Amino acid sequence: RKEVEQDPGPFNVPEGATVAFNCTYSNSASQSFFWYRQDCRKEPKLLMSVYSSGNEDGRFTAQLNRASQYISLLIRDSKLSDSATYLCVVKLNTGGFKTIFGAGTRLFVKA
Amino acid sequence: EAGVVQSPRYKIIEKKQPVAFWCNPISGHNTLYWYLQNLGQGPELLIRYENEEAVDDSQLPKDRFSAERLKGVDSTLKIQPAELGDSAVYLCASSWDRETHNEQFFGPGTRLTVL
Repeated sequence: RKEVEQDPGPFNVPEGATVAFNCTYSNSASQSFFWYRQDCRKEPKLLMSVYSSGNEDGRFTAQLNRASQYISLLIRDSKLSDSATYLCVVKLNTGGFKTIFGAGTRLFVKA
Repeated sequence: EAGVVQSPRYKIIEKKQPVAFWCNPISGHNTLYWYLQNLGQGPELLIRYENEEAVDDSQLPKDRFSAERLKGVDSTLKIQPAELGDSAVYLCASSWDRETHNEQFFGPGTRLTVL
């Protein structure tokens, strides 16, 4: 089993749609959680951190469920510019800090 | 402020040849990471430096890969000899320090093709 698993995708949605991505992690020692965005042939960039109480940034909402070891990202009112790959990232400290990226979920938003 | 700089952006070599990648992190960032990213996959850590010390190189294939960060600033990743399976994007990232909440900033990557 992979340490961080994401929805396989791709997701094809029309503009204005709401789309949700899921991510599960296997190590209960995971401490910090993030969503990164990666455009085609570009480098990953931080989209948002994920906090235990859940957090929102404009049209984006991130949720964390430590009991189920599950993270989600909700995008409301999708824009064409949201088309990208969304990477779930988990950081843990098991005697040394470790960063693990999921394989990513690709999103296509169509007009 | 300049971001993470990597060179070259693209490299095509024949198998068994050596290749080197260079990374200059954001000024003041103590932690530097080298990742490998295959198509359709997330970045996989190769090595992490805290200043000039390699603190996690457990995923670095040491028979052919080597890295250095001599003065705790820029870093070089080398492959010798390259194999066909090494074709990938090599990403460098940096962050202020190792704390779990610190954002990693990525460079544009070096796209390596081994023929």
